[in-house]
Amino acid sequence: EDQVTQSPEALRLQEGESSSLNCSYTVSGLRGLFWYRQDPGKGPEFLFTLYSAGEEKEKERLKATLTKKESFLHITAPKPEDSATYLCAVQGGSEKLVFGKGMKLTVNP
Amino acid sequence: DVKVTQSSRYLVKRTGEKVFLECVQDMDHENMFWYRQDPGLGLRLIYFSYDVKMKEKGDIPEGYSVSREKKERFSLILESASTNQTSMYLCASSLGTGEGQPQHFGDGTRLSIL
Repeated sequence: EDQVTQSPEALRLQEGESSSLNCSYTVSGLRGLFWYRQDPGKGPEFLFTLYSAGEEKEKERLKATLTKKESFLHITAPKPEDSATYLCAVQGGSEKLVFGKGMKLTVNP
Repeated sequence: DVKVTQSSRYLVKRTGEKVFLECVQDMDHENMFWYRQDPGLGLRLIYFSYDVKMKEKGDIPEGYSVSREKKERFSLILESASTNQTSMYLCASSLGTGEGQPQHFGDGTRLSIL
């Protein structure tokens, strides 16, 4: 059974304090690993797709990386507007995505 | 940009009512999905659809049904609403088969059953 575990469940940072969010996964035949950002009261917003180990994607202060067992979302010099819940999901052999429970990031000014 | 539109942001209904949640996407996507999201439980898949008039059960289909009469529209139906169906409901769509395709979400409907 495909599974996704995100850690930590919550993270509090000071503005400018870089850190990484972890997504561990098991899946039969990875077709894609996805990162989303979700603001309170809104739907998840798509950030990145990673397809194979070694791949990296960047967007502003965010960088996503992928190994055969984990993905990391690195946040460099975060700002308060980066505060959100970050979700990781994998797609294996079907059209369904398997989501982690998310990681709530708070960046204090 | 992909746009997924859910008909209501907030909805209040009574126990036993039949409730319809509507979702429309504007990118000619093949796949559409309905989730519910509850604190501590994450996103749970209710139903999904590969094509018009096609539907598949997700992980928690009990008490729900769906309808997809047109490619762009996917409806979730609560046959007889109960208080344990109070939740945030999210609709999503994705392009189709092949290499991993991200799902794009609407802003959700917060449904309260009294």
